Amino acid sequence: EAGVAQSPRYKIIEKRQSVAFWCNPISGHATLYWYQQILGQGPKLLIQFQNNGVVDDSQLPKDRFSAERLKGVDSTLKIQPAKLEDSAVYLCASSLQALYEQYFGPGTRLTVT
Amino acid sequence: SQQGEEDPQALSIQEGENATMNCSYKTSINNLQWYRQNSGRGLVHLILIRSNEREKHSGRLRVTLDTSKKSSSLLITASRAADTASYFCATGDYKLSFGAGTTVTVRA
Repeated sequence: EAGVAQSPRYKIIEKRQSVAFWCNPISGHATLYWYQQILGQGPKLLIQFQNNGVVDDSQLPKDRFSAERLKGVDSTLKIQPAKLEDSAVYLCASSLQALYEQYFGPGTRLTVT
Repeated sequence: SQQGEEDPQALSIQEGENATMNCSYKTSINNLQWYRQNSGRGLVHLILIRSNEREKHSGRLRVTLDTSKKSSSLLITASRAADTASYFCATGDYKLSFGAGTTVTVRA
C-alpha cells in the first residue's frame, strides 16, 4: 500500500514570499490532516478535512494560511506571506475515518529567511 | 483540547536495556496513542490504548494506562539502535494533541 506522499521535501524562501505544499493521502482515506511541527515540539494540528469539507481549522492562522482539498483527495496548504516563525516541518496525515490511526507523510521542511 | 506531556525529555540507554517513558494528560480521554518519529521513517503510529484498557502489548512495546492518575507509560524492552527516535503520546478523539516528546538514544 502506498503511503502518504508530500512534496516538496524541502523549501527555502524569504519572508513575505508565498509557498505551497502538496499532499496525496492514502487511497480511500476520508480524513486528511495538516500539522505544523516546530523544532523540539510535537506536531500541532492546523486543519482537518473530512472528504472535501473542513472539520477543524481552529489553529490555522487564517490571515496567512489557507488549505483546500478538492474532490476529497489531494490537498494543498499555502502560506502567503511567510514569516520567520513559519519555519517548521509541515506534516500531512490521513486516516480511514476520524478516530482511526493516522498515517503520516515524510513532511516538508520549510525554512524562512 | 487535551494535551499529553512526556517525561523525561531525553533518555540515553545501552543497547539491550529497557526504556520507559511517561505521559501525563489533563482531562478525561477515550483513548491515548503513542507515536515514534525518526529521520528515516517519519512519524509512525505505534499503539492505541482505550480508556477501558489497562495494558497493551505490541512486540517489544508495552503500554499502560492509569486513568485515575491521568497517565500512561511506554516501555520498550531489549532496546536496539533502531529504537533511537522521539516518542510522542497523543490524546484526543477527533483532534489529536501531541506532547513535546521524549528523545530516546540507544547506544551500541
